[in-house]
Amino acid sequence: RKEVEQDPGPFNVPEGATVAFNCTYSNSASQSFFWYRQDCRKEPKLLMSVYSSGNEDGRFTAQLNRASQYISLLIRDSKLSDSATYLCVVNARWSSGGSNYKLTFGKGTLLTVNP
Amino acid sequence: GAVVSQHPSWVICKSGTSVKIECRSLDFQATTMFWYRQFPKQSLMLMATSNEGSKATYEQGVEKDKFLINHASLTLSTLTVTSAHPEDSSFYICSASLIRDSPLHFGNGTRLTVT
Repeated sequence: RKEVEQDPGPFNVPEGATVAFNCTYSNSASQSFFWYRQDCRKEPKLLMSVYSSGNEDGRFTAQLNRASQYISLLIRDSKLSDSATYLCVVNARWSSGGSNYKLTFGKGTLLTVNP
Repeated sequence: GAVVSQHPSWVICKSGTSVKIECRSLDFQATTMFWYRQFPKQSLMLMATSNEGSKATYEQGVEKDKFLINHASLTLSTLTVTSAHPEDSSFYICSASLIRDSPLHFGNGTRLTVT
């Protein structure tokens, strides 16, 4: 099982649609979880952190299920500007390469919102 | 505003030359910074963790003699790609976090093209 696995995509949706991204992680010791968005040829930008109780920020809702090691991101009323690659990111404490902890990125899911 | 500044944004160099990339934390001290590499349509891959005042820790498969990391101050880490070759052409991104387990802030990335 890959460390962080996301829907392969790409997703093409019309404006106003609701779209959901799924992500699973393999390390049960993972501590914190994030969704980033990355525009083409740009650096990733934090979209939102993900908490066990679930959290919402405007049109975006993130959910975490620790028992299933599953994270989701829901985008409602999608806009053209939401077109980007969405990265699921997991922070785990382990000693790979000598680091005490590290962030592991999923491959990302490309979303294109069409007019 | 940006909390991590990376320079240069892009560089084109000839095979065999060395390229230095700078990463600065703005308005905060970063004892730890991270260097990532991203090939087209691939996920970000952690290359190394840069520790202020000590040696960097490299991920498996990353040559420490080829990718020299120096973290001489609490606000500056540098990555030097030595004797660059075309296969080193990639998007290099640095990051830092204010506190452990908090989201990472990324520099704007450096697009390296080796001809």
